[in-house]
Parts: sequence; C-alpha cells; structure tokens
Amino acid sequence: QKEVEQDPGPLSVPEGAIVSLNCTYSNSAFQYFMWYRQYSRKGPELLMYTYSSGNKEDGRFTAQVDKSSKYISLFIRDSQPSDSATYLCAMRGSARQLTFGSGTQLTVLP
Amino acid sequence: GAVVSQHPSRVICKSGTSVKIECRSLDFQATTMFWYRQFPKQSLMLMATSNEGSKATYEQGVEKDKFLINHASLTLSTLTVTSAHPEDSSFYICSPRGGGGGNTEAFFGQGTRLTVV
Repeated sequence: QKEVEQDPGPLSVPEGAIVSLNCTYSNSAFQYFMWYRQYSRKGPELLMYTYSSGNKEDGRFTAQVDKSSKYISLFIRDSQPSDSATYLCAMRGSARQLTFGSGTQLTVLP
Repeated sequence: GAVVSQHPSRVICKSGTSVKIECRSLDFQATTMFWYRQFPKQSLMLMATSNEGSKATYEQGVEKDKFLINHASLTLSTLTVTSAHPEDSSFYICSPRGGGGGNTEAFFGQGTRLTVV
C-alpha cells in the first residue's frame, strides 16, 4: 500500500464547475500538507500549504485536512480552463522529505 | 520572479554519455537540495537529498555512482547522470530548502526533460 493515495483521474469538468480533489494517507506522523499544480513539462507550483487539521482558503481554492480520517481535499470554485493541469498532493512529518501523491489530471472545458 | 533556476530544460543525449543538470537557488541559501525524478503520468519520486558541503543521501534503488550529486555551495547543486541509458529518460526536478524556518516547500526548479537515444 502506498503511503499517499490519489485518484489519477483524468477528471474533466465544464468551466465554472466546483472541482474536488482528494488524497488519503496512512502515515499518522504527517502534519504538513501541500497541494501543487503542475503544468505539462514544468516543475510543481505550490498552491496551498496547511499545517495539521482544518480548512484554509485562498481565492478560489480551499484546502481541507482531516487528520482523524487521514484525508485531505482541495476544492476549486468557479473553475477556469487555465486550471487545467495535474494536481499533486504532498505531505511530510517533522522530516523535510515530501511524499507525493500520484497526481490527478484535470481538464476544465470552456 | 523565479527563485530557482534549473537548466537545461531539455536535453537529448546519446546512450553512454553523461549529462549534467544544474540547479541554482537565486534568493536564499539552499542548505538542502532534493532531487526528484518523474516518469510520464507518475508522481515525483525522491532520488536523493544533499546538504551543502556533505555527501548526498540516496533513496533505495537509486545508484549513487550513476547519479552524481554535487552541492558544493549554498546556491548551486548539480546532478550528473553518468553513462546514460534510455531507461534514464525522465523528467528531473530539483527543490532547494533553506536552513531557516518557514515554508520553503514552495521552491522547485522548472525541471529537465532528459531523453537518451
């Protein structure tokens, strides 16, 4: 079993839809949770950073962490074609190494 | 502006040759450098971790004699793929970390797409 599980998709939605992306994990030591966006042939770009459980909102993006369920989510409101990319969850404990999910490929159709 | 400069962005080399990838930290001192490899439609897999001035620590299954990492300064780390083979074709990404607190998970290079023919 992988430490971090992420549905690879692909996920296709119409413009303006609410997108929900999710990851589950097994390591209870994880306490820092990140979401990255990666365009084709580019490095990851940090979208959201959350420590421990709770919600965090930044513009159209909302990150949720439920440590009791070992489940994290990223919501994208009013999705745009420019949001089309691969979204990676990542997490770590006290060590600096990140463990990544496999990524979800999202396409927002105009 | 960009805080991490990685180059080349793309390289094609012949089997058996060596390729050097550079990663520069532009705005902060990178005491630690992570090197990742990403195969198509897969996630980032950590290859090695290096600390400035010391030997790199390689993940299980990564050959240290094949993937040479040099982290001689706080602003530059290099990854050299020696005697490259077609199976080494992949997307290589660096990620520097500073020594202080705060969120430094933001910094990744733009990646190098290596194709070995």
